Amino acid sequence: SQTIHQWPATLVQPVGSPLSLECTVEGTSNPNLYWYRQAAGRGLQLLFYSVGIGQISSEVPQNLSASRPQDRQFILSSKKLLLSDSGFYLCAWMPQGNTEAFFGQGTRLTVV
Amino acid sequence: GEDVEQSLFLSVREGDSSVINCTYTDSSSTYLYWYKQEPGAGLQLLTYIFSNMDMKQDQRLTVLLNKKDKHLSLRIADTQTGDSAIYFCAETSRGGYNKLIFGAGTRLAVHP
Repeated sequence: SQTIHQWPATLVQPVGSPLSLECTVEGTSNPNLYWYRQAAGRGLQLLFYSVGIGQISSEVPQNLSASRPQDRQFILSSKKLLLSDSGFYLCAWMPQGNTEAFFGQGTRLTVV
Repeated sequence: GEDVEQSLFLSVREGDSSVINCTYTDSSSTYLYWYKQEPGAGLQLLTYIFSNMDMKQDQRLTVLLNKKDKHLSLRIADTQTGDSAIYFCAETSRGGYNKLIFGAGTRLAVHP
């Protein structure tokens, strides 16, 4: 069966520090992968999506970046965090040609 | 571009029906979804509807789609306290990839 792992669950980082959030999917190959952010009291904002290794599309300009070094690994990064980067980050995957997206449990990031 | 809008809050009495509404702009949307998010957790797919359908029923859930008005609704019959959560409407369109666009979410509060 397919599973998605996202870590860490919570993270407190100082302003200006780097960030690396990792998401891995098991039990499938060549999935579409997504990073979403949910700011407090707001909806889900699509940050990045990927249809294959090394293929990253960015939805909004920001100081975050994403990479897909392996088929089932999706990484969200920042060189220098801002206070406004605080939020709940969700990784998701969707099988190619399928209809349902599966979400990780999320990472709550607080930038202080 | 794609945009999905929902009302932000709904309060209902236990045992009543809840109706959560959503409008979307992308006329090429292929699938429309309802996801549920409980506090501090990831998203769980409740149901989805293909764009050539008008209605889909799944136990206590009824989804209605008005493609002409680009309006989607989720009806929860016999609403229970366990239904209290944030409900997200989402759409996806096919352009060589599946890009899930979410609304801001409707917080459903169920009171005795």
